[in-house]
Amino acid sequence: AQSVTQPDIHITVSEGASLELRCNYSYGATPYLFWYVQSPGQGLQLLLKYFSGDTLVQGIKGFEAEFKRSQSSFNLRKPSVHWSDAAEYFCAAMGGNEKLTFGTGTRLTIIP
Amino acid sequence: ETGVTQSPTHLIKTRGQQVTLRCSSQSGHNTVSWYQQALGQGPQFIFQYYREEENGRGNFPPRFSGLQFPNYSSELNVNALELDDSALYLCARIIATNEKLFFGSGTQLSVL
Repeated sequence: AQSVTQPDIHITVSEGASLELRCNYSYGATPYLFWYVQSPGQGLQLLLKYFSGDTLVQGIKGFEAEFKRSQSSFNLRKPSVHWSDAAEYFCAAMGGNEKLTFGTGTRLTIIP
Repeated sequence: ETGVTQSPTHLIKTRGQQVTLRCSSQSGHNTVSWYQQALGQGPQFIFQYYREEENGRGNFPPRFSGLQFPNYSSELNVNALELDDSALYLCARIIATNEKLFFGSGTQLSVL
């Protein structure tokens, strides 16, 4: 079965520190991959996506993600977090049927 | 601006009632999908429509039904509401070939 796993339920980092959120997928073929961010009570905002090509993808708000086929991973990174980055982050994958499968999310807390 | 508008933003119903949620999007040959996001969970795929026909469904019972109209608006109908139907319902407009995926801000449904 197709699945997306985010192993970290909650991560706390200091403002200005670097960030890495983990995501692994299990699909028959390499899916399209996405990272979304969600603030409390809000909808989903697309941070970045990987369809093909360069495995290092740049997104909005200074985020980037690296696709590693050998590890079935698509980890999200940011060199220096800001207090406004506190939110819930979802990794998602899409196969050929345009259905998105989401991970359970990682809640990011920023401490001063 | 995602081009996807959902209404209402919040809704309170009682168990056993029926509810209709609405989604409107800009024109185009789009797939419109609906997702349910329970508190603390990632969004779960309910179903999707393409050219007014359902062409994919997740693990949801038949009391979840939908419609897509020629003007690209869409409805999600839920009959015989249960307490576990309390969730954020998200509408998404997806054009995978053009790498466009837009989510509305969602409708927060509370079933009492």
